[in-house]
Amino acid sequence: GNSVTQMEGPVTLSEEAFLTINCTYTATGYPSLFWYVQYPGEGLQLLLKATKADDKGSNKGFEATYRKETTSFHLEKGSVQVSDSAVYFCALPYNNNDMRFGAGTRLTVKP
Amino acid sequence: DTEVTQTPKHLVMGMTNKKSLKCEQHMGHRAMYWYKQKAKKPPELMFVYSYEKLSINESVPSRFSPECPNSSLLNLHLHALQPEDSALYLCASSQTGGQGTRNTIYFGEGSWLTVV
Repeated sequence: GNSVTQMEGPVTLSEEAFLTINCTYTATGYPSLFWYVQYPGEGLQLLLKATKADDKGSNKGFEATYRKETTSFHLEKGSVQVSDSAVYFCALPYNNNDMRFGAGTRLTVKP
Repeated sequence: DTEVTQTPKHLVMGMTNKKSLKCEQHMGHRAMYWYKQKAKKPPELMFVYSYEKLSINESVPSRFSPECPNSSLLNLHLHALQPEDSALYLCASSQTGGQGTRNTIYFGEGSWLTVV
């Protein structure tokens, strides 16, 4: 079945640093791919998604490109802010009614 | 704007209490979900309602009882819970349950449950 493998955290960066969080997937066919973000004490928010190979999802300065050659969907941001401190989950659909999540990567950005 | 609203945000209940978590969405979505999330873990699926019918029950103990009164509302009735049931309970919705690999699931803010 579909699954994702996400880099282990935690990740600690200084403000304005470059961020990469790696995500690789195993899937039948070419499902949509997602990044969700969970800020402290909150639920999950959809950060971005890509629906087909070579698509780039982007939002709030974050980007991820759906790469079927490397089965990857790495999350990047050129300059992180303290407010980006959160847990980030890579995800893809599983069966018709579920989502498979990566383990989550906790990002802490220090001023 | 996508929005799934959950109440209450925090709930503390004893092991003999009966309480309910409530969820509402006004996006016209026809699939609604309950997920459970323990600390430092990803969410785990509990139940799925598709077109107001229970389509998935992931072997959840009967002390959790879902209810879908209409296409916009989803409840989770709680009775005789255990301390290990303390967690964040997330409601979610998606356009339909049958979009398969294109399904986008939208989550609420969650209800923090503590069982004492």
